[in-house]
Amino acid sequence: KQEVTQIPAALSVPEGENLVLNCSFTDSAIYNLQWFRQDPGKGLTSLLLIQSSQREQTSGRLNASLDKSSGRSTLYIAASQPGDSATYLCATPQGGSEKLVFGKGTKLTVNP
Amino acid sequence: SAVISQKPSRDICQRGTSLTIQCQVDSQVTMMFWYRQQPGQSLTLIATANQGSEATYESGFVIDKFPISRPNLTFSTLTVSNMSPEDSSIYLCSVGGSGGAGSDTQYFGPGTRLTVL
Repeated sequence: KQEVTQIPAALSVPEGENLVLNCSFTDSAIYNLQWFRQDPGKGLTSLLLIQSSQREQTSGRLNASLDKSSGRSTLYIAASQPGDSATYLCATPQGGSEKLVFGKGTKLTVNP
Repeated sequence: SAVISQKPSRDICQRGTSLTIQCQVDSQVTMMFWYRQQPGQSLTLIATANQGSEATYESGFVIDKFPISRPNLTFSTLTVSNMSPEDSSIYLCSVGGSGGAGSDTQYFGPGTRLTVL
């Protein structure tokens, strides 16, 4: 059974700093891994999806990497802004299904 | 991509009552998923809803408590029955990509924030 862990649970940084969020998974036979952003009390916004055959994906200031052999993915945020403050979740499908297994998230605060 | 709307966006309910949450997608999809997010926790899948068949429930969730309807390929409802304060959560519906099992982006609705007094 797939398990997903995110460390740290919370992170506070000054504006402008580059930062890395971590996601680890127990079963390396994944189909893909997806990063989401969640604002307080709101739904999820998909940020990036990395297919199992890919090493990284980029969107603007965001870069997500995937290392299946080590069971890890990272989300790199460049030049952080206060508007980046949110909880970031990673998730991967359970087995061969579309059912997602989520980590508990990293709550990011970017201080002006 | 898929655009998903949910109704209501939030509600405050009395214990013992029921609430039906609606999920509408702007395109036809085979499977729709219902997740629960309890305060301070991550998302947990409640059930998978396929059009024309009974929903498939995850361990710990039962049809009597969370009945689901899926009348067509763009719409689903989740009912939270006989509510207690422990049901206070954000309920989210999602749809998977069209590329097959686990091969594409999943999209989520804005969520329904339920508070049970």
